[in-house]
Amino acid sequence: DAKTTQPTSMDCAEGRAANLPCNHSTISGNEYVYWYRQIHSQGPQYIIHGLKNNETNEMASLIITEDRKSSTLILPHATLRDTAVYYCIVRAISGNTPLVFGKGTRLSVIA
Amino acid sequence: GAVVSQHPSRVICKSGTSVKIECRSLDFQATTMFWYRQFPKQSLMLMATSNEGSKATYEQGVEKDKFLINHASLTLSTLTVTSAHPEDSSFYICSARSTGGSGGELFFGEGSRLTVL
Repeated sequence: DAKTTQPTSMDCAEGRAANLPCNHSTISGNEYVYWYRQIHSQGPQYIIHGLKNNETNEMASLIITEDRKSSTLILPHATLRDTAVYYCIVRAISGNTPLVFGKGTRLSVIA
Repeated sequence: GAVVSQHPSRVICKSGTSVKIECRSLDFQATTMFWYRQFPKQSLMLMATSNEGSKATYEQGVEKDKFLINHASLTLSTLTVTSAHPEDSSFYICSARSTGGSGGELFFGEGSRLTVL
């Protein structure tokens, strides 16, 4: 079973920041928080991951709470092409462990 | 990011035939690849872990004799759906772990949509 909880769906106005929350209260010390998204009929796309520090890349920012029990993915300026299902996943650092997907959040960016 | 490619992207076959799906890591070597399937409006479900040079490890409920996995090289894993039936119609997706980066990100192929008539 997935170890994360996400809202089923969210809407965001085009050009505004999209903030997607994720709860992972049972995260272990050796587990990273990963975010992927899946646009309809495509394979999942890697977005960002982090352990305990906030992370930023060209796609998004990841804010992890100090106790690591929750995180927020931020898309700073959402576009229509950001409409997708966003998955928050916790995964151990070491070894070849797979990603276990929950139901994710369906983000709809509205013009 | 690293590139994982699947082929074919779409395939339609008759019931009872077998279909092979290829998954290639184009710019890195992958000792381990993972196969998922996704039914409409559902999330990805892990089917099996494919290890180069050894037998695949299947998840509970996945028939190993029906879903044959071969990982003969560090850049290629294949999934063969044998004696396909309409209920095998699904979106099949592979992923591979890149050894780069701090957490060993997994990259996914584009997916292969199988329709069994």
